[in-house]
Amino acid sequence: KAGVTQTPRYLIKTRGQQVTLSCSPISGHRSVSWYQQTPGQGLQFLFEYFSETQRNKGNFPGRFSGRQFSNSRSEMNVSTLELGDSALYLCASSLVSGGETQYFGPGTRLLVL
Amino acid sequence: KNEVEQSPQNLTAQEGEFITINCSYSVGISALHWLQQHPGGGIVSLFMLSSGKKKHGRLIATINIQEKHSSLHITASHPRDSAVYICAVKPAGQFYFGTGTSLTVIP
Repeated sequence: KAGVTQTPRYLIKTRGQQVTLSCSPISGHRSVSWYQQTPGQGLQFLFEYFSETQRNKGNFPGRFSGRQFSNSRSEMNVSTLELGDSALYLCASSLVSGGETQYFGPGTRLLVL
Repeated sequence: KNEVEQSPQNLTAQEGEFITINCSYSVGISALHWLQQHPGGGIVSLFMLSSGKKKHGRLIATINIQEKHSSLHITASHPRDSAVYICAVKPAGQFYFGTGTSLTVIP
């Protein structure tokens, strides 16, 4: 089976812009979770989607949003980018919502200038 | 307050040394995870533990649920073990992660 894929892998944006990141889970996996990783804060949970519904949400402002499509692919959107949004954004898929075993994608590295 | 604390933050070892990374957590959990992240970002799940000990090759993970503590051991370390090791717990709904231990193994 193909692993979790994320596009794009690298992205440079300027403050105030918005960005959309994409994640394709492993075939058959219906849950997709998103994480932000920064040197200062480490890995932090953003949100989880299952069957096109947001199931859990971390402590991030409303500028961070996501959605999931019927084929389980997920997108994450960040509006009004700030310098502090520069990070590695990782998605992970699992078979079920709340699944303990997650499979991570390679990540999208976002740089906000 | 961090739900998950890891130590040490950085670790340098000579090839062949025995390595221990520690993780303490403050929340009730059903399982604890050890993850490995190589340069470039990709994360691989090493272990999921709910009790006792698990072994995979040269890696051993232990957990003491009563003391809320887990350790990851690497026997006969090798330069390819150089990576960031992260422990994670999932009390309810979402994962909480330790800040990671950056391991460098020198030939």
